[in-house]
Amino acid sequence: DTEVTQTPKHLVMGMTNKKSLKCEQHMGHRAMYWYKQKAKKPPELMFVYSYEKLSINESVPSRFSPECPNSSLLNLHLHALQPEDSALYLCASSQAEEVSGANVLTFGAGSRLTVL
Amino acid sequence: EDQVTQSPEALRLQEGESSSLNCSYTVSGLRGLFWYRQDPGKGPEFLFTLYSAGEEKEKERLKATLTKKESFLHITAPKPEDSATYLCALVNQAGTALIFGKGTTLSVSS
Repeated sequence: DTEVTQTPKHLVMGMTNKKSLKCEQHMGHRAMYWYKQKAKKPPELMFVYSYEKLSINESVPSRFSPECPNSSLLNLHLHALQPEDSALYLCASSQAEEVSGANVLTFGAGSRLTVL
Repeated sequence: EDQVTQSPEALRLQEGESSSLNCSYTVSGLRGLFWYRQDPGKGPEFLFTLYSAGEEKEKERLKATLTKKESFLHITAPKPEDSATYLCALVNQAGTALIFGKGTTLSVSS
């Protein structure tokens, strides 16, 4: 199994809603990532988990709350989002044991979020 | 400041018409330069990693090369299935994350 699976594929939410994005991988990778990608823009790193512990938080607003319940799962909890948060949210994982920008990333297909 | 600039933004080719995509970069101490391919509505897919000037890597119709200031992705005799956005990414100075360029969107028509 060489896939990173993200659900839901599409999500529409109001600014007062609470929702979650989910990511799952069964490749035994120990680092997992959340990226945000707006239309026609490159992916931007949000969070990195290494061995289920938050390793990097790229100064992301607290309305985004990551969670890594176990080595295979990564969640992104969303609350009180703004319309400008509408984007494609990408999950990725990497095999390397140390968090490094040089790790090869395996990306999921993404969850497209629209905030009304 | 670490920076990645890709050109052109968009490229249209006829099937079989070879060309090159450019990625110019600035970083203090190169820790790795990556090429990823992204199809519409999908996440990026890893293609190559280059670490030092003069290094070259090939995969099917794609060949990536690296100099001290830029990387090229050469596409030989492209096919319509090569149509995608090609992203260049640089390991940041801290070594902790990738900085992606804006990408080159390649369209190959038959």
